[in-house]
Amino acid sequence: DIQMTQSPSSLSASVGDRVTITCRASQSISRYLNWYQQKPGKAPKLLIYAASSLQSGVPSRFSGSGSGTDFTLTISSLQPEDFATYYCQQSYSTLTWTFGQGTKVEMK
Amino acid sequence: QITLKESGPTLVKPTQTLTLTCTFSGFSFSTNAVSVGWIRQPPGKALEWLALIYWNDDKRYSPSLKNRLTITKDTSKNQVVLTMTNMDPLDTATYYCAHRLGDYSATNWFDPWGQGTLVTVSS
Repeated sequence: DIQMTQSPSSLSASVGDRVTITCRASQSISRYLNWYQQKPGKAPKLLIYAASSLQSGVPSRFSGSGSGTDFTLTISSLQPEDFATYYCQQSYSTLTWTFGQGTKVEMK
Repeated sequence: QITLKESGPTLVKPTQTLTLTCTFSGFSFSTNAVSVGWIRQPPGKALEWLALIYWNDDKRYSPSLKNRLTITKDTSKNQVVLTMTNMDPLDTATYYCAHRLGDYSATNWFDPWGQGTLVTVSS
């Protein structure tokens, strides 16, 4: 199985901060990496697919980059509604799909 | 607009079999190359993919749970059913179903998701 490791597990930030979350795959997954946002008590929501493509309706302050084994999700200017948990997910494998352990973005 | 909704028991006893139903609208197995997956999330923990079924009835299972899972679909009812045998308290989680394009391309993702249903395993 392809393992996905996110860092950090949690971070504290203020409104307006630039936030970067990292996701590392246990093997090369090309650019087959998706990012989701989950707020408490809600289902995950797709933010970015194929490493850097912004899902329709997602604010442009969100961006993704990377390829191979190392990927990043960046929020250019953190907004109050962005406090949530973020998950990466690999779609390289066509047999199984795995998520990272999540990164919780909390208010400083 | 695609929507999905999970239904099933909120409480099951250890060793029992769990049956969850995902009822969806906005797409159809008979007219679209789509797939539906199940993902769960124990309280306060990460997401775990469980199973996926394609429009052509091809199926995929998590290797760690393969022996306990069965996924089926009812095309006429726009439903996907997940059964999990021999339930344990560690299976307590919110269970989500999610839409996924049906092709076998790696350029693929789960979107949208149902609201989720919390299943508690306790005697």
